[in-house]
Amino acid sequence: QVQLQESGPGLVKPSETLSLTCTVSGGSISSYYWSWIRQPPGKGLEWIGYIYYSGSTYYNPSLKSRVTISVDTSKNQISLKLSSVTAADTAVYYCARATTVTVEYWGQGTLVTVSS
Amino acid sequence: DIQMTQSPSSLSASVGDRVTIICRASQSISSYLNWYQQKPGKAPKLLIYVASSLQSGVPSRFSGSGSGTDFTLTISSLQPEDFATYYCQQSYSAPSTFGGGTKVEIK
Repeated sequence: QVQLQESGPGLVKPSETLSLTCTVSGGSISSYYWSWIRQPPGKGLEWIGYIYYSGSTYYNPSLKSRVTISVDTSKNQISLKLSSVTAADTAVYYCARATTVTVEYWGQGTLVTVSS
Repeated sequence: DIQMTQSPSSLSASVGDRVTIICRASQSISSYLNWYQQKPGKAPKLLIYVASSLQSGVPSRFSGSGSGTDFTLTISSLQPEDFATYYCQQSYSAPSTFGGGTKVEIK
């Protein structure tokens, strides 16, 4: 059974860079689209972007200028960096394994609060 | 971006009721529509993919239908564990987008 676990700071200061890591276990990172999706408290879901295991990426245009997603196949890890954060970036951040059609597996999510 | 609109945003129902949730896309998305269930403090769980295919392990009381712009999620007989928020998602074009959610509450 594939498991995804997000990790990283729970508190980030405004204007700084949010950095999260997703560790994949129970399956290979090869193939699939490894995605980051976020959910502000009490609100809906927003797709941040994805990386294919080969390294090709897609970022939501609304966040593209601030987002970097990378993959380390040797560690079975996917990383997210979001720069110049504001309070609007406060959310639960999910790592997920997707196909071209759907999201099959989700991590448990990690809450990141942007505050000074 | 393709806008996904769900209705209603919330509903109250009793155990055993038949529940229908609607999702409408701002343009045709063929059958590239998925449904997820989310319980408080948990990640979403895939229920239905490509409009009408039941994800493995999901009870058969859940069903999906539709194509083009109009889609429906039906719970044939609501069970206590079904009280949750439901989201639709289009995977027809990037960026993939989600509906605003439908919260199913106990009547």
